[in-house]
Amino acid sequence: EAQVTQNPRYLITVTGKKLTVTCSQNMNHEYMSWYRQDPGLGLRQIYYSMNVEVTDKGDVPEGYKVSRKEKRNFPLILESPSPNQTSLYFCASSPTGSNEQFFGPGTRLTVL
Amino acid sequence: AQSVSQHNHHVILSEAASLELGCNYSYGGTVNLFWYVQYPGQHLQLLLKYFSGDPLVKGIKGFEAEFIKSKFSFNLRKPSVQWSDTAEYFCAVHTGGYQKVTFGIGTKLQVIP
Repeated sequence: EAQVTQNPRYLITVTGKKLTVTCSQNMNHEYMSWYRQDPGLGLRQIYYSMNVEVTDKGDVPEGYKVSRKEKRNFPLILESPSPNQTSLYFCASSPTGSNEQFFGPGTRLTVL
Repeated sequence: AQSVSQHNHHVILSEAASLELGCNYSYGGTVNLFWYVQYPGQHLQLLLKYFSGDPLVKGIKGFEAEFIKSKFSFNLRKPSVQWSDTAEYFCAVHTGGYQKVTFGIGTKLQVIP
């Protein structure tokens, strides 16, 4: 089944404790992206990647890192999480030229 | 930087009423336009998209949207809503080589049986 998976789905952590949210897609898509969804703010793009080893900042990259070592994986790294990073995070992928994004199920992160 | 405005943040309709959700964007170049839907507890799914050609596009579940270039608008419509259309709807714009994406803040639609 073609899908985007994210792990974990739910995470409660404490300020300053490094964490990684994984994202994987099995559709051989070149483009992958991370968003955060907050009430009243909609979805905001954090980082995106056009292909392996090619990443770029979205609108709200501060406090986040990404890497794209393999085509299928695009992990989101929070080196030192803070409470303002409490949010619902979505990973998405799309094939080049389509721009139709396929979203993962979301990761609800709480930073205490 | 581009921006996307969704004017109606919360809409309540009775079943069979007609729906129109506004979406305006600010970007002078070529854009790809999308509407996504997020049902309660689920992830976003594509409703419809506009790349070029006929400005009236049809999507799934009876939804359609019209691209009006002069107004920088891409409004979503449905002639007769159903209770199952209760969801949050997001307009999205791709610009800058189509890799940068900006979403509107979303419109929550509640359909009353």
